[in-house]
Amino acid sequence: EPEVTQTPSHQVTQMGQEVILRCVPISNHLYFYWYRQILGQKVEFLVSFYNNEISEKSEIFDDQFSVERPDGSNFTLKIRSTKLEDSAMYFCASSVGGTGDTQYFGPGTRLTVL
Amino acid sequence: EDQVTQSPEALRLQEGESSSLNCSYTVSGLRGLFWYRQDPGKGPEFLFTLYSAGEEKEKERLKATLTKKESFLHITAPKPEDSATYLCAVQEGSGANSKLTFGKGITLSVRP
Repeated sequence: EPEVTQTPSHQVTQMGQEVILRCVPISNHLYFYWYRQILGQKVEFLVSFYNNEISEKSEIFDDQFSVERPDGSNFTLKIRSTKLEDSAMYFCASSVGGTGDTQYFGPGTRLTVL
Repeated sequence: EDQVTQSPEALRLQEGESSSLNCSYTVSGLRGLFWYRQDPGKGPEFLFTLYSAGEEKEKERLKATLTKKESFLHITAPKPEDSATYLCAVQEGSGANSKLTFGKGITLSVRP
């Protein structure tokens, strides 16, 4: 069964450093998403991406964040200058269609900012 | 005000003891209500999607129902392997605006 994959599973970085989190969505899916979950809190939407552009973003997704689909299979989240409060699990998700379609989540990348 | 409220926060059941988990929502123009299961340190695993009031879906020991204000996840004769956090999420809007808004989750523990 196809699934969303994410690398790395755990990333440790120093405050102020840039990180890139990588995702491979399910192959026939067209909509891609990033969510995050701070330890003990709820899953929060960051950004959605369709047709090579951002379709929606939350207040969390400020100028420090960017997304890219560099090729036909990868989807990346870049944080330019990490802060302590960026420490969280980051989940990539994908769906065939937009509204109403099921989003399938990856296993997550645990980002720890020291 | 939270758009999605789940209750109780935590639930401890004895194996075989059936119960229900509640998800109340206040969004207008619901486009879909989703149930996911999340194990510790893992990503949400899809369970069900419900679209309109009166709809029901069933899978093994789980059954999800939907009204205009809330959804229930009924667990019949649970087993220890059903222990996990159950997440409810709603989707409103249209077209490419398809973000999910999650509740805080219900942590279910099933004792053998």
